[in-house]
Amino acid sequence: EVQLVESGGGLVQPGGSLRLSCAASGFMFSTHEMIWVRQAPGKGLEWLSYINRSGATIYYADSVKGRFTISRDNARNSLYLQMSSLRAEDTAVYYCARENVAVAGYFDSWGQGTLVTVSS
Amino acid sequence: SYELTQSPSVSVSPGQTARITCSGAALPKRYVYWYQQKSGQAPVLVIYEDTKRPSGIPERFFASSSGTVATLTISGAQVEDGADYYCYSTDSSGDQRVFGGGTKLTVL
Repeated sequence: EVQLVESGGGLVQPGGSLRLSCAASGFMFSTHEMIWVRQAPGKGLEWLSYINRSGATIYYADSVKGRFTISRDNARNSLYLQMSSLRAEDTAVYYCARENVAVAGYFDSWGQGTLVTVSS
Repeated sequence: SYELTQSPSVSVSPGQTARITCSGAALPKRYVYWYQQKSGQAPVLVIYEDTKRPSGIPERFFASSSGTVATLTISGAQVEDGADYYCYSTDSSGDQRVFGGGTKLTVL
């Protein structure tokens, strides 16, 4: 069974840092592009970052560029999001998602999300 | 930064046709994907590459794209189709990916 499990969320003060992890199982992680998406309470989906299979190609949304860093460890079947200089507006549920190998833009598996709350 | 614009809400009665639009400057060159998200659940793809329907998605879901506007149509909408719908695409360079703001579909 394909599974993506996020962890690492929690309460952090403005200006602080947090590292999210996404543990993948049930499929060959190294063959899939991956993304991070967030959803603020009561708001819509916001694409944050993309990483290709090898980790050599990375893209960020302007809202997080320079503050967030995506990475992956294919040997550990894990995806990461290092977040720094956090702001109140970064408060959201953060999801990792897997891109279908055959259809770019088709995110066929999502984690359950991890909540990040930025507050003093 | 690149944006996709959706109307915030659409409301129809059961059996009627619901249309949800998504506009973006790069849509003439880039595919659009449509996701359905029900409350408390992960998004589910209902349309990919502008008009294609994944297996398992009912035939009442279909989509088109013309110029800078893409349209998701649900023909004969059912109560269970009530959800938030998001379009997804990329900017002209292919680097920036973006979801539209979402459209809340109410079928009552």
